[in-house]
Amino acid sequence: AAGVIQSPRHLIKEKRETATLKCYPIPRHDTVYWYQQGPGQDPQFLISFYEKMQSDKGSIPDRFSAQQFSDYHSELNMSSLELGDSALYFCASSLGRLRDTQYFGPGTRLTVL
Amino acid sequence: TQLLEQSPQFLSIQEGENLTVYCNSSSVFSSLQWYRQEPGEGPVLLVTVVTGGEVKKLKRLTFQFGDARKDSSLHITAAQPGDTGLYLCAGDRRAGNMLTFGGGTRLMVKP
Repeated sequence: AAGVIQSPRHLIKEKRETATLKCYPIPRHDTVYWYQQGPGQDPQFLISFYEKMQSDKGSIPDRFSAQQFSDYHSELNMSSLELGDSALYFCASSLGRLRDTQYFGPGTRLTVL
Repeated sequence: TQLLEQSPQFLSIQEGENLTVYCNSSSVFSSLQWYRQEPGEGPVLLVTVVTGGEVKKLKRLTFQFGDARKDSSLHITAAQPGDTGLYLCAGDRRAGNMLTFGGGTRLMVKP
């Protein structure tokens, strides 16, 4: 079965640079969630989209923005990167806002030098 | 304070032993999901429990959702080295909402 696809899998950036992470949800899934996981930490919710509209917002810095496109894929844009942004970034998808199960992608490991 | 508390944080047992991991909260959850996560990889869904008192079995793993939908447990029977990994419980306060994770239990099963 198709799973959530994230790209790139690994990304290395310098401080103050920008990064764009992409997420392709499971086919027919219309809800996308972004999470950030620091070393030894739980995934922390950043933001979610349902039917291309922002649904919920968590601890996402103002330097970050995200959107969901007409084909339901989503992009997380990160600007003015800081060392503390180094983490695993996961995308998850679910079918409809009223469905409970979120399926996670393999993640993008971002390293900021 | 964490909304969802998972215990124990670490568990090291011998092959063949049984174990239980607990996930507790003072809040009611719409659903609770259990994931297993390998280092550097995304959490892989094991089960979703939705109904209070629900019990689900996945081979040697038994998941239970508390009657009041505030807590859950994962019981592994006759643990094997292949069960070694990080187990995460995660709940959402309403369907389609963000997941709150419980801190994780790092399990090691020694042969």
